[in-house]
Amino acid sequence: GAVVSQHPSWVICKSGTSVKIECRSLDFQATTMFWYRQFPKQSLMLMATSNEGSKATYEQGVEKDKFLINHASLTLSTLTVTSAHPEDSSFYICSARPMVLGELFFGEGSRLTVL
Amino acid sequence: GESVGLHLPTLSVQEGDNSIINCAYSNSASDYFIWYKQESGKGPQFIIDIRSNMDKRQGQRVTVLLNKTVKHLSLQIAATQPGDSAVYFCADPPGSARQLTFGSGTQLTVLP
Repeated sequence: GAVVSQHPSWVICKSGTSVKIECRSLDFQATTMFWYRQFPKQSLMLMATSNEGSKATYEQGVEKDKFLINHASLTLSTLTVTSAHPEDSSFYICSARPMVLGELFFGEGSRLTVL
Repeated sequence: GESVGLHLPTLSVQEGDNSIINCAYSNSASDYFIWYKQESGKGPQFIIDIRSNMDKRQGQRVTVLLNKTVKHLSLQIAATQPGDSAVYFCADPPGSARQLTFGSGTQLTVLP
């Protein structure tokens, strides 16, 4: 089946630094990818919709200057957490959908810890 | 305004019993639904899907029921096993599991 890969799977960084997380669709092309954040014991929260070749669409309350999204190709979207702070520590997950099929495929997630 | 970080409802069942997990949706135009399973520390995995022209679909040990009249989905797991312990949530592509459209997911715990 279709596979979505995230990298890194975990990262620890110092407060004030920026961290980039990659989301790749390995065997299909995706014009749209989705980024989520998940805190412990809580549900996935959609942060933004990443659109290939255009600007991302952010959900209400998500700072676009804080969470930079780039969808430069049909197989890669990146989420950059800028000037990270401890409250940004979370599990970040992406998903993608082949252009034809309706099923969403999720990455394995990236755990960010900001010290 | 939006609620942030809804805590997951929980369901505990004895090993071997059947589990029923429910999900409500709000968009009457939704025509395709997917149930996902998310184990701790991992991304969600596809379990089963159903289209709106069906009211029931069965997989291996899992059954999804769709009631379009009341906009309700349920996932039934037969003979629940310890490996079934996870968070389960439903999604409506292209709604992409938007939290406010659907329930926030259910934490299933299988008791020995």
